[in-house]
Order: sequence, then structure tokens, then C-alpha cells
Amino acid sequence: AQSVSQHNHHVILSEAASLELGCNYSYGGTVNLFWYVQYPGQHLQLLLKYFSGDPLVKGIKGFEAEFIKSKFSFNLRKPSVQWSDTAEYFCAVSLYSGGGADGLTFGKGTHLIIQP
Amino acid sequence: AAGVIQSPRHLIKEKRETATLKCYPIPRHDTVYWYQQGPGQDPQFLISFYEKMQSDKGSIPDRFSAQQFSDYHSELNMSSLELGDSALYFCASSLAEGSSYEQYFGPGTRLTVT
Repeated sequence: AQSVSQHNHHVILSEAASLELGCNYSYGGTVNLFWYVQYPGQHLQLLLKYFSGDPLVKGIKGFEAEFIKSKFSFNLRKPSVQWSDTAEYFCAVSLYSGGGADGLTFGKGTHLIIQP
Repeated sequence: AAGVIQSPRHLIKEKRETATLKCYPIPRHDTVYWYQQGPGQDPQFLISFYEKMQSDKGSIPDRFSAQQFSDYHSELNMSSLELGDSALYFCASSLAEGSSYEQYFGPGTRLTVT
């Protein structure tokens, strides 16, 4: 079974600092990769996704992620964070089966706190 | 834009009772997924349905069952509830056509078992 590892469980940054959250997955086949954000008390929202093509993907709110196949990694980045980015961030993987109904495997999440 | 609707939003049950959670996918979406998120935990995939057929199965307990109906809404039935079933239950939907793998999540149902 595939697994997802997020290296940083808690990250505290000041506003305008740069952000990089690590995500590694274990699966030798073709995967679809996602980053979701969960603001306090809210549901999961998709930040960005990678299915194929350009390994550098851009998402909403200025976030981007780079898929490095050789490292089984899909790290999330943002050049300058804002206080409103305070949230829980989840990396997730689904297997490419062509059917589109495979469940996501989530990492444990990274709790990001941005200090004003 | 219309989003995934879940009902009820909050549910309190006692041990050994049953509960039914409902999920209404985004219009035209034909695939539904159920996830369980315990306090401070990552979401755990339970089960998914495509065109009313079970598509993928995760860590769903035998006490739980689910189905998808002809209008694509789905229900998660939970019996013999245990304290450990207290969690946030998310439903997500997607459209299989066009190889879209984006899952859109609903607001969740918070189940408390006392």
C-alpha cells in the first residue's frame, strides 16, 4: 500500500518568510499528487494537483509544488507567506488506475502558523 | 458554484446506536468518496462509489456500510457505534469523465458518540 510522509508536523514562520513543506510518497507506480489546505473549522480545499506533464505546478493563493519523480517528492512552496495562510496542510496521493475513483492517502499534515 | 452537501452537520449518538450520514455530490459528479478524520488526525479513506457501484475500499469497519443511489447521492450507515467512531466524516465528489481526479470535499458531519 502506498504511504505519504510529511516531514514537518508544526511550522512557525513570520509574515513574508518563504515556505517549503516536504512531502514524500512510497509507491513505485504512477500516482496523482495533491496538496490540500484545511483552515480552522473548515473543510479540505484543493491547493494544487499534479497528474502529468510539467512537474512544476502552480495552484491557488500563490502556492506551487514541484514533482521530483526520482526522489518520490512533491514539496509545497510559497515565496512569501501571509498571516491568512495559517492552516493545516495535507499532502495526498492517489494511484493512477484510470477509473478516477481511488481514495486518497493523506500524510499526517503540517500545522502552519504564521506570526504577524 | 454548487458544492458538496452533507447532512446532518452535527450528530450526537450514544454507544451501540446507529447513524446515517448523507452526501449530495456536486451536480453532474458521478463519484463519491467517504473519509473519516479523527481529532488531530489526517483523513482516512473509507470507501468510494462510481455509478452506484463500489469502486475502492479503504479502512471501513464491517459495522459501516454505504451505498450510492440513482441520483448519485450517497449514504454512510454506521451501526453499533463506539466511542472511537467520534470523528469528522467527509464526503467528496468527482467527475470520472475526462480523467478528472479532483476530489471536492464537503463541509463534513461531526459525529459525537457518548
